[in-house]
Amino acid sequence: LAKTTQPISMDSYEGQEVNITCSHNNIATNDYITWYQQFPSQGPRFIIQGYKTKVTNEVASLFIPADRKSSTLSLPRVSLSDTAVYYCLVGTSGTYKYIFGTGTRLKVLA
Amino acid sequence: SAVISQKPSRDICQRGTSLTIQCQVDSQVTMMFWYRQQPGQSLTLIATANQGSEATYESGFVIDKFPISRPNLTFSTLTVSNMSPEDSSIYLCSVDETSGEKLFFGSGTQLSVL
Repeated sequence: LAKTTQPISMDSYEGQEVNITCSHNNIATNDYITWYQQFPSQGPRFIIQGYKTKVTNEVASLFIPADRKSSTLSLPRVSLSDTAVYYCLVGTSGTYKYIFGTGTRLKVLA
Repeated sequence: SAVISQKPSRDICQRGTSLTIQCQVDSQVTMMFWYRQQPGQSLTLIATANQGSEATYESGFVIDKFPISRPNLTFSTLTVSNMSPEDSSIYLCSVDETSGEKLFFGSGTQLSVL
């Protein structure tokens, strides 16, 4: 299983771009990288998924270097409502073992 | 994306009793997953439930304590048996809709054991 390592917490101010990096040194060839967002009293919500290079959707961007040993979730111009815990998961293709790491607790300040 | 209904949303139970949590999905899915999230902590995978076969439990979780049913492709239950205060957690049902390592979650069941 590819273990992930993220910063435990981050603070940012409204309007800033936030980058959260996840380390996954033993990622397997077929694994995808997926990020989730969790608000208090809710289940995690899918944000973005990628395999390599860059992926962008209406919510975030995901940057994955060529060696795929890390990935960076980028949230443009955060607002107070982006305060949440962000989890990076590395998919274990075919085994269906989705193991969550510690996550990063992002606090957006006014 | 799948819509997952989980109930009850919360419950307060007495020590030694059991609670069954239900998870209903609005589409047929192959795999369903049960997680536990203790206060302020990350999610811990309890077991994976595939329709028509026994659930697969993660290390530290056993069938006698957390029996799971998966009678069809849209429904599953998790029972927390012989509860103790240490079982107080949020229990979350999840599905892997597209087999692409993309999970969708129910809103969870907040369990408090007195």
